[in-house]
Amino acid sequence: DTEVTQTPKHLVMGMTNKKSLKCEQHMGHRAMYWYKQKAKKPPELMFVYSYEKLSINESVPSRFSPECPNSSLLNLHLHALQPEDSALYLCASSLNIQETQYFGPGTRLLVL
Amino acid sequence: GQQLNQSPQSMFIQEGEDVSMNCTSSSIFNTWLWYKQEPGEGPVLLIALYKAGELTSNGRLTAQFGITRKDSFLNISASIPSDVGIYFCAGRPLRGADGLTFGKGTHLIIQP
Repeated sequence: DTEVTQTPKHLVMGMTNKKSLKCEQHMGHRAMYWYKQKAKKPPELMFVYSYEKLSINESVPSRFSPECPNSSLLNLHLHALQPEDSALYLCASSLNIQETQYFGPGTRLLVL
Repeated sequence: GQQLNQSPQSMFIQEGEDVSMNCTSSSIFNTWLWYKQEPGEGPVLLIALYKAGELTSNGRLTAQFGITRKDSFLNISASIPSDVGIYFCAGRPLRGADGLTFGKGTHLIIQP
Protein backbone atom coordinates (compact mmCIF):
# COMPACT_ATOMS: atom_id res chain seq x y z
CA ASP A 1 0.00 0.00 0.00
CA THR A 2 1.75 3.13 -1.21
CA GLU A 3 -0.86 5.81 -0.88
CA VAL A 4 -2.39 8.31 1.48
CA THR A 5 -6.18 8.13 1.66
CA GLN A 6 -8.54 10.85 2.84
CA THR A 7 -12.23 10.81 3.68
CA PRO A 8 -14.61 12.28 2.90
CA LYS A 9 -13.76 13.52 -0.59
CA HIS A 10 -16.29 16.36 -0.29
CA LEU A 11 -17.89 17.95 2.78
CA VAL A 12 -20.47 20.70 3.13
CA MET A 13 -21.09 22.01 6.63
CA GLY A 14 -22.83 24.87 8.39
CA MET A 15 -21.02 27.22 10.72
CA THR A 16 -22.48 25.52 13.80
CA ASN A 17 -21.66 21.96 12.74
CA LYS A 18 -18.95 19.68 14.09
CA LYS A 19 -17.28 17.40 11.58
CA SER A 20 -14.02 15.49 11.20
CA LEU A 21 -11.65 14.85 8.32
CA LYS A 22 -9.75 11.58 8.26
CA CYS A 23 -6.41 10.60 6.78
CA GLU A 24 -4.80 7.17 6.69
CA GLN A 25 -1.54 5.70 5.44
CA HIS A 26 -0.03 2.23 5.76
CA MET A 27 3.46 2.97 4.51
CA GLY A 28 5.01 2.96 7.98
CA HIS A 29 5.48 6.71 7.82
CA ARG A 30 5.98 8.38 11.20
CA ALA A 31 5.35 11.99 10.17
CA MET A 32 1.95 13.25 9.06
CA TYR A 33 0.81 16.70 8.00
CA TRP A 34 -2.29 18.80 7.42
CA TYR A 35 -2.23 21.49 4.74
CA LYS A 36 -4.92 23.96 3.64
CA GLN A 37 -5.09 24.98 -0.02
CA LYS A 38 -7.20 27.74 -1.53
CA ALA A 39 -7.95 27.77 -5.25
CA LYS A 40 -4.92 28.41 -7.46
CA LYS A 41 -2.66 28.88 -4.41
CA PRO A 42 0.04 26.61 -3.00
CA PRO A 43 -0.69 24.41 0.02
CA GLU A 44 -0.18 26.09 3.39
CA LEU A 45 1.09 24.03 6.30
CA MET A 46 -1.27 23.77 9.29
CA PHE A 47 0.00 20.98 11.55
CA VAL A 48 2.85 18.48 11.70
CA TYR A 49 2.82 15.29 13.74
CA SER A 50 6.02 13.36 14.33
CA TYR A 51 5.81 9.97 16.06
CA GLU A 52 2.21 10.78 17.03
CA LYS A 53 3.19 14.00 18.79
CA LEU A 54 2.22 17.45 17.57
CA SER A 55 5.43 18.99 16.30
CA ILE A 56 4.25 22.15 14.60
CA ASN A 57 1.09 24.24 14.86
CA GLU A 58 1.33 27.07 12.38
CA SER A 59 -0.82 29.48 14.39
CA VAL A 60 -4.00 27.78 13.23
CA PRO A 61 -7.28 28.94 14.86
CA SER A 62 -8.59 26.67 17.61
CA ARG A 63 -11.68 25.82 15.56
CA PHE A 64 -9.31 23.35 13.85
CA SER A 65 -8.23 20.58 16.20
CA PRO A 66 -5.84 17.86 15.00
CA GLU A 67 -5.56 14.39 16.47
CA CYS A 68 -3.19 11.52 15.77
CA PRO A 69 -4.68 8.38 17.37
CA ASN A 70 -1.88 6.15 16.05
CA SER A 71 0.95 6.21 13.55
CA SER A 72 -1.36 5.39 10.61
CA LEU A 73 -4.21 7.79 11.29
CA LEU A 74 -4.57 11.54 11.38
CA ASN A 75 -7.80 13.40 12.05
CA LEU A 76 -8.77 17.04 11.78
CA HIS A 77 -11.76 18.01 13.91
CA LEU A 78 -13.74 21.01 12.73
CA HIS A 79 -16.05 23.14 14.86
CA ALA A 80 -17.68 26.53 14.32
CA LEU A 81 -15.93 27.13 11.02
CA GLN A 82 -16.28 30.28 8.95
CA PRO A 83 -17.05 30.53 5.22
CA GLU A 84 -13.46 31.63 4.58
CA ASP A 85 -12.33 28.21 5.85
CA SER A 86 -13.72 26.68 2.66
CA ALA A 87 -10.75 25.10 0.89
CA LEU A 88 -9.09 21.84 -0.12
CA TYR A 89 -7.61 20.18 2.97
CA LEU A 90 -4.63 17.99 2.16
CA CYS A 91 -3.03 15.33 4.29
CA ALA A 92 0.55 14.23 3.65
CA SER A 93 2.93 11.74 5.19
CA SER A 94 6.65 11.02 5.13
CA LEU A 95 8.95 8.38 6.55
CA ASN A 96 10.11 10.96 9.06
CA ILE A 97 10.16 14.73 9.20
CA GLN A 98 13.23 15.03 6.96
CA GLU A 99 11.94 12.77 4.19
CA THR A 100 9.87 13.41 1.08
CA GLN A 101 6.17 14.04 1.65
CA TYR A 102 3.41 12.20 -0.19
CA PHE A 103 -0.01 13.79 -0.44
CA GLY A 104 -3.51 12.39 -0.29
CA PRO A 105 -6.24 13.46 -2.74
CA GLY A 106 -7.68 16.01 -0.32
CA THR A 107 -11.08 16.81 1.15
CA ARG A 108 -12.95 19.64 -0.57
CA LEU A 109 -14.66 21.55 2.26
CA LEU A 110 -17.44 24.08 1.79
CA VAL A 111 -18.64 26.06 4.81
CA LEU A 112 -22.02 27.73 4.42
CA GLY B 1 9.24 32.91 6.68
CA GLN B 2 10.97 31.32 3.75
CA GLN B 3 9.75 32.19 0.27
CA LEU B 4 10.22 30.49 -3.06
CA ASN B 5 9.97 32.46 -6.28
CA GLN B 6 8.56 30.22 -9.00
CA SER B 7 8.34 31.26 -12.62
CA PRO B 8 6.67 31.52 -14.95
CA GLN B 9 3.27 31.87 -13.29
CA SER B 10 1.57 30.35 -16.34
CA MET B 11 2.54 28.94 -19.72
CA PHE B 12 0.46 28.55 -22.87
CA ILE B 13 2.24 26.20 -25.26
CA GLN B 14 1.61 24.01 -28.27
CA GLU B 15 1.58 20.24 -27.95
CA GLY B 16 5.06 18.89 -28.64
CA GLU B 17 6.92 21.92 -27.28
CA ASP B 18 9.45 21.71 -24.47
CA VAL B 19 8.68 23.42 -21.16
CA SER B 20 11.00 24.93 -18.59
CA MET B 21 10.17 26.35 -15.18
CA ASN B 22 12.29 27.26 -12.17
CA CYS B 23 12.31 28.18 -8.53
CA THR B 24 14.70 30.39 -6.64
CA SER B 25 15.19 31.16 -2.99
CA SER B 26 17.09 33.76 -1.03
CA SER B 27 18.29 31.08 1.39
CA ILE B 28 19.83 27.62 1.12
CA PHE B 29 17.56 24.60 0.74
CA ASN B 30 18.63 21.02 1.47
CA THR B 31 15.79 19.37 -0.47
CA TRP B 32 13.95 20.34 -3.64
CA LEU B 33 10.76 18.62 -4.73
CA TRP B 34 8.59 19.03 -7.80
CA TYR B 35 4.88 18.20 -7.64
CA LYS B 36 2.09 18.25 -10.21
CA GLN B 37 -1.48 18.96 -9.19
CA GLU B 38 -4.61 18.48 -11.28
CA PRO B 39 -7.97 20.04 -10.44
CA GLY B 40 -9.62 18.52 -7.37
CA GLU B 41 -6.65 16.27 -6.62
CA GLY B 42 -3.70 16.36 -4.26
CA PRO B 43 -0.16 17.15 -5.43
CA VAL B 44 1.63 14.17 -6.94
CA LEU B 45 5.38 13.90 -6.48
CA LEU B 46 7.29 14.03 -9.77
CA ILE B 47 10.94 14.33 -8.79
CA ALA B 48 12.84 14.65 -5.51
CA LEU B 49 16.34 16.16 -5.32
CA TYR B 50 18.61 15.85 -2.31
CA LYS B 51 22.12 16.97 -3.34
CA ALA B 52 23.49 20.15 -4.88
CA GLY B 53 24.13 19.62 -8.57
CA GLU B 54 21.92 16.53 -8.72
CA LEU B 55 20.23 16.05 -12.10
CA THR B 56 17.35 13.56 -12.13
CA SER B 57 15.01 12.39 -14.87
CA ASN B 58 11.59 10.79 -14.72
CA GLY B 59 10.49 9.94 -18.26
CA ARG B 60 10.13 13.21 -20.18
CA LEU B 61 10.77 15.22 -17.00
CA THR B 62 14.19 16.41 -15.88
CA ALA B 63 14.97 18.43 -12.77
CA GLN B 64 18.15 19.78 -11.25
CA PHE B 65 19.19 20.92 -7.78
CA GLY B 66 21.20 24.10 -8.30
CA ILE B 67 24.85 24.20 -7.27
CA THR B 68 24.23 27.18 -4.99
CA ARG B 69 21.40 25.22 -3.29
CA LYS B 70 19.16 28.23 -3.84
CA ASP B 71 17.45 27.17 -7.04
CA SER B 72 16.00 24.31 -9.05
CA PHE B 73 14.52 23.87 -12.49
CA LEU B 74 12.09 21.43 -14.08
CA ASN B 75 12.05 20.68 -17.80
CA ILE B 76 9.35 18.78 -19.67
CA SER B 77 10.23 17.61 -23.16
CA ALA B 78 7.76 17.04 -26.00
CA SER B 79 4.68 18.10 -24.03
CA ILE B 80 1.45 16.14 -24.41
CA PRO B 81 -2.13 17.10 -23.41
CA SER B 82 -2.01 15.14 -20.13
CA ASP B 83 0.84 17.39 -18.94
CA VAL B 84 -1.75 20.09 -18.23
CA GLY B 85 -1.88 21.05 -14.57
CA ILE B 86 -0.22 23.19 -11.94
CA TYR B 87 3.41 22.41 -11.17
CA PHE B 88 4.71 23.33 -7.73
CA CYS B 89 8.26 23.42 -6.54
CA ALA B 90 8.70 22.78 -2.84
CA GLY B 91 11.68 22.68 -0.59
CA ARG B 92 12.95 22.25 2.87
CA PRO B 93 15.23 25.09 3.96
CA LEU B 94 18.49 24.28 5.68
CA ARG B 95 17.29 26.17 8.72
CA GLY B 96 13.58 26.25 9.17
CA ALA B 97 10.42 24.48 10.15
CA ASP B 98 9.72 20.88 9.33
CA GLY B 99 7.01 21.47 6.77
CA LEU B 100 7.59 22.20 3.12
CA THR B 101 7.83 25.67 1.63
CA PHE B 102 5.96 25.85 -1.69
CA GLY B 103 6.38 28.06 -4.72
CA LYS B 104 3.25 29.75 -6.06
CA GLY B 105 2.97 27.27 -8.92
CA THR B 106 3.26 27.27 -12.70
CA HIS B 107 -0.03 26.73 -14.53
CA LEU B 108 0.67 24.77 -17.73
CA ILE B 109 -1.90 24.97 -20.52
CA ILE B 110 -1.37 23.03 -23.74
CA GLN B 111 -3.06 23.87 -27.01
CA PRO B 112 -3.42 20.91 -29.36
